[in-house]
Amino acid sequence: NAGVMQNPRHLVRRRGQEARLRCSPMKGHSHVYWYRQLPEEGLKFMVYLQKENIIDESGMPKERFSAEFPKEGPSILRIQQVVRGDSAAYFCASSLSGQGQTQYFGPGTRLLVL
Amino acid sequence: EDKVVQSPLSLVVHEGDTVTLNCSYEVTNFRSLLWYKQEKKAPTFLFMLTSSGIEKKSGRLSSILDKKELFSILNITATQTGDSAIYLCAVNFGNEKLTFGTGTRLTIIP
Repeated sequence: NAGVMQNPRHLVRRRGQEARLRCSPMKGHSHVYWYRQLPEEGLKFMVYLQKENIIDESGMPKERFSAEFPKEGPSILRIQQVVRGDSAAYFCASSLSGQGQTQYFGPGTRLLVL
Repeated sequence: EDKVVQSPLSLVVHEGDTVTLNCSYEVTNFRSLLWYKQEKKAPTFLFMLTSSGIEKKSGRLSSILDKKELFSILNITATQTGDSAIYLCAVNFGNEKLTFGTGTRLTIIP
C-alpha cells in the first residue's frame, strides 16, 4: 500500500522562475494538505484541498502561490516568480475523509532558490 | 491564537535511558493531538490522542493526553540509536489544519 508520494524530491530554481510541486495521496484518500517547513522552524499549514475544491487556504501567501487538486491526477502546489525566501521543504499530507482523520505525510520536496 | 509548545527543544541521552517529551497547547477549540517522528524525510505518524487519560502504546513508545491541563507527553523507554530523530507534536483545532510545535530533537548516544 503505497504511501503519500511527492515529486520531485529536490528542486532547484533561479529567482523569477516557476516551481511546480506534485503530491499523490495515499490510495483511497481524497483530502490533501500542504505544509511548509522553513529552515529551523516547525511545519506551517498552507492549504487544504479536496478533489476539485479548495477548502481552506488561510496559510497560503496572497501572491504567487496557488494549489489545485483536480479530479484526475496529483495535487499541484505552484509557486510563480520564486524568491530566495521560498527555499524550504514542502510537505504534502493526505487523509481518508478529513473530519479529524489522521494525516499521513509524504517525503517532501526540498526547494532551493538560487 | 492557537499555539503548540514543545519541550525540551533538544535532548541528548545514552542508549537504554528513558525519555519524556512534552507538548502543551493553548486552545480555542480542540479535536485531537498527534505525535510524529521526523528523521530525514517524511514525518512518520506515531499516535493520535483525543481523550484524556487513555494511554496509547506502541512497543517502547507511549503517549497520554491531559485535556484539563492542556498537555501531552511522549515516553520512550529503553532508547535505541534508531530513536534519534525530531519528534513533532501537532494539534487539530477543529478545522482540519494541524498546528505544529517546533519539535524536540532527540539524540541517543551509543
